[in-house]
Amino acid sequence: GENVEQHPSTLSVQEGDSAVIKCTYSDSASNYFPWYKQELGKGPQLIIDIRSNVGEKKDQRIAVTLNKTAKHFSLHITETQPEDSAVYFCAASFNPGANNLFFGTGTRLTVIP
Amino acid sequence: EAGVAQSPRYKIIEKRQSVAFWCNPISGHATLYWYQQILGQGPKLLIQFQNNGVVDDSQLPKDRFSAERLKGVDSTLKIQPAKLEDSAVYLCASSTWRERSDEQFFGPGTRLTVL
Repeated sequence: GENVEQHPSTLSVQEGDSAVIKCTYSDSASNYFPWYKQELGKGPQLIIDIRSNVGEKKDQRIAVTLNKTAKHFSLHITETQPEDSAVYFCAASFNPGANNLFFGTGTRLTVIP
Repeated sequence: EAGVAQSPRYKIIEKRQSVAFWCNPISGHATLYWYQQILGQGPKLLIQFQNNGVVDDSQLPKDRFSAERLKGVDSTLKIQPAKLEDSAVYLCASSTWRERSDEQFFGPGTRLTVL
């Protein structure tokens, strides 16, 4: 089955700086890569996703890049704000409408005001 | 649109007791997932339903866990008997069965503590 590794496990940045979280996956058949944000006591919430036919996607301060050859993808958050503090999970899936998501182990991001 | 509802939010039981969790997915979502999230880890799939049929239950410990989705809407997940290692957050998620509709919507989860 799919194996997703995520680094770093914790990340602290100053407000206004950028944060980068990296993930690798093992199954070349995976074609959908979402990123979820999980705040304390809540379920994961999708913040951005990318499919394997696209190399980069951006939504305001958040961007995701995908390198299919190397089987890795990254989340970039620019101009970080204290409300960005949360646990972020990457995931991978093949045919996500039918199959489940394989999650990374999470990155706890702390934005220091 | 209402989100995925789960209850209870918290549950504390002793080992060998039984427990049940309930999930109400977003209206119209045909696919329902139960994930187990152990502290400090990412969610891991336990079982996936498509309407009221099971699509994938390969990671469900069937000797103690069971799940059903009556009439293809609400779902219950049961653990009997519970073990200490079952302490985790149990997340329910739902999604539509449509090509290009990828997002899984998660509920707030049920935090189970087994003493």
